[in-house]
Amino acid sequence: DAKTTQPPSMDCAEGRAANLPCNHSTISGNEYVYWYRQIHSQGPQYIIHGLKNNETNEMASLIITEDRKSSTLILPHATLRDTAVYYCIVRLTSGTYKYIFGTGTRLKVLA
Amino acid sequence: GAVVSQHPSWVICKSGTSVKIECRSLDFQATTMFWYRQFPKQSLMLMATSNEGSKATYEQGVEKDKFLINHASLTLSTLTVTSAHPEDSSFYICSARIRHSSYNEQFFGPGTRLTVL
Repeated sequence: DAKTTQPPSMDCAEGRAANLPCNHSTISGNEYVYWYRQIHSQGPQYIIHGLKNNETNEMASLIITEDRKSSTLILPHATLRDTAVYYCIVRLTSGTYKYIFGTGTRLKVLA
Repeated sequence: GAVVSQHPSWVICKSGTSVKIECRSLDFQATTMFWYRQFPKQSLMLMATSNEGSKATYEQGVEKDKFLINHASLTLSTLTVTSAHPEDSSFYICSARIRHSSYNEQFFGPGTRLTVL
């Protein structure tokens, strides 16, 4: 499975967009990009995923570069409750479906 | 929908005892369940993959005789930490994969905090 690289921490002002980058330069054509977040002492929560195209749901948008070597998770209007560790994961489209978590980005939303 | 529960949410035990942690998918059948361990301020580390009715597949470096996994049904997997020691103190999290789902297969439980005295 491809390895991901994320900045260890980021700050964002409440109400502003939070843009969280992820590098997955060794991703292969049959690997999805998934984003989860973990609020302190809880299990990870699914946010969004994509393969090639950009995706949007009620929580966030996912922008994947054309070469698929990197992606950006966008929280359009960050709130204090979005303070969490955000994990970018790449996962095969078939097989064991297991996730290998990287170190994640600790996002702190400031009032 | 797609709720995963864990029991207990926290447990304190004496060194040398065994502790069982349950992971249940409440409203769906789980083809596969995964067990993770997380130390303070660290990321989740995959311990093993558990398929219903078959032996678990352990990640490299995880002792299968120490961390016993049983996946007896499509809604229940258990992790037993045998002869627990203080270094086994950690946050244990399970996830479950929805059977026949084409996306976002894994849903995570709330975690179990184990403290070994």
